Amino acid sequence: NAGVTQTPKFRVLKTGQSMTLLCAQDMNHEYMYWYRQDPGMGLRLIHYSVGEGTTAKGEVPDGYNVSRLKKQNFLLGLESAAPSQTSVYFCASSYSGVNPTFYQPQHFGDGTRLSIL
Amino acid sequence: GQQLNQSPQSMFIQEGEDVSMNCTSSSIFNTWLWYKQEPGEGPVLLIALYKAGELTSNGRLTAQFGITRKDSFLNISASIPSDVGIYFCAGPGNNDMRFGAGTRLTVKP
Repeated sequence: NAGVTQTPKFRVLKTGQSMTLLCAQDMNHEYMYWYRQDPGMGLRLIHYSVGEGTTAKGEVPDGYNVSRLKKQNFLLGLESAAPSQTSVYFCASSYSGVNPTFYQPQHFGDGTRLSIL
Repeated sequence: GQQLNQSPQSMFIQEGEDVSMNCTSSSIFNTWLWYKQEPGEGPVLLIALYKAGELTSNGRLTAQFGITRKDSFLNISASIPSDVGIYFCAGPGNNDMRFGAGTRLTVKP
């Protein structure tokens, strides 16, 4: 079972370059999320989606854009990369249900390690 | 926003010892989640708590939802080398999910 798959696993960018991180889930989950993880800190939510065609801002959305054109995919874009965006990025997904969005336990991918020089 | 304070930051223990870690918040949470992250992988859910006072076990792991709803505890009994990793608490809000900074556990054989 693939679960949540993130590509690429590693990437090095120069300041000002753009790129897109791809997240795919095969569990038919409605909700998907993008987090960043920095040393000594927990995960911080960048953007999330509660269904195909919807997106919403999380705690640290600046400098990122997302799209959810298909239910199984959630894309995270960096239009003009900055060194402060060097981090490990995690995608997650969860079921919908009677509980509010963030009450559902989330299933995480293995992360994308992004370095911006 | 809601901040989660996790302690201790790190623990170095001998195989076979019991482990306790906790997570506190200045705000009330209605759900507490505990995750484990191993090197090079994403977090994996260990235990979910949905009711104040709830005590839930998953093998050698036991977690409790504090009565005040502002804290939660995770205990690991008889630790083994594969318990190594970072343990995160998390608390969901209506529009966000907050994570603690994690407790890094090292188990010496």
